Amino acid sequence: EAQVTQNPRYLITVTGKKLTVTCSQNMNHEYMSWYRQDPGLGLRQIYYSMNVEVTDKGDVPEGYKVSRKEKRNFPLILESPSPNQTSLYFCASTMGGGGTEAFFGQGTRLTVV
Amino acid sequence: AQSVTQPDIHITVSEGASLELRCNYSYGATPYLFWYVQSPGQGLQLLLKYFSGDTLVQGIKGFEAEFKRSQSSFNLRKPSVHWSDAAEYFCAVAPSGGYNKLIFGAGTRLAVHP
Repeated sequence: EAQVTQNPRYLITVTGKKLTVTCSQNMNHEYMSWYRQDPGLGLRQIYYSMNVEVTDKGDVPEGYKVSRKEKRNFPLILESPSPNQTSLYFCASTMGGGGTEAFFGQGTRLTVV
Repeated sequence: AQSVTQPDIHITVSEGASLELRCNYSYGATPYLFWYVQSPGQGLQLLLKYFSGDTLVQGIKGFEAEFKRSQSSFNLRKPSVHWSDAAEYFCAVAPSGGYNKLIFGAGTRLAVHP
């Protein structure tokens, strides 16, 4: 089954404690992205990757890091989380091209206290 | 700058009634347009998409959307709503010629009364 898998689904952490949210896709897609969803703002892109070792900033990259060492994996790293990073995070992948469908993971609800 | 506006934050309809969710976009050229649905606790599922051609597109679950270039709109419709349609709906655009991101509207939360 084609899918994007994120882990964990829920995470509560404390300010400043480094964390990683994993994302894996089994569709051999080239493009992967991370979004955060906040009430009234919809989804905003944090980072994206066009292929292995190729990443770039989205609209709200501050406080986040990513890496793309393998095509299937695209982890999101918060090196020093702060309460304003409390949000619902989604990983997405797509084959590429502006018209192809983006597949989304189930989401990770992060709370930073 | 590219943007997507969904004017209605919340909409409530009765089961069996018709539905129209509004979406307007701001973009220089014709973008690729999408509607996604997010059920509670779930990820986003694609309902339908428009790239070119026929301006009325059909999607899953009985939804359709019409692209109107003159109004920069891509409204989502369903003739008869079911209680299971209660969810949040997002309109999104992707710049034509390549994909690096989707630009989402703020979403419309749909409630369905029995």
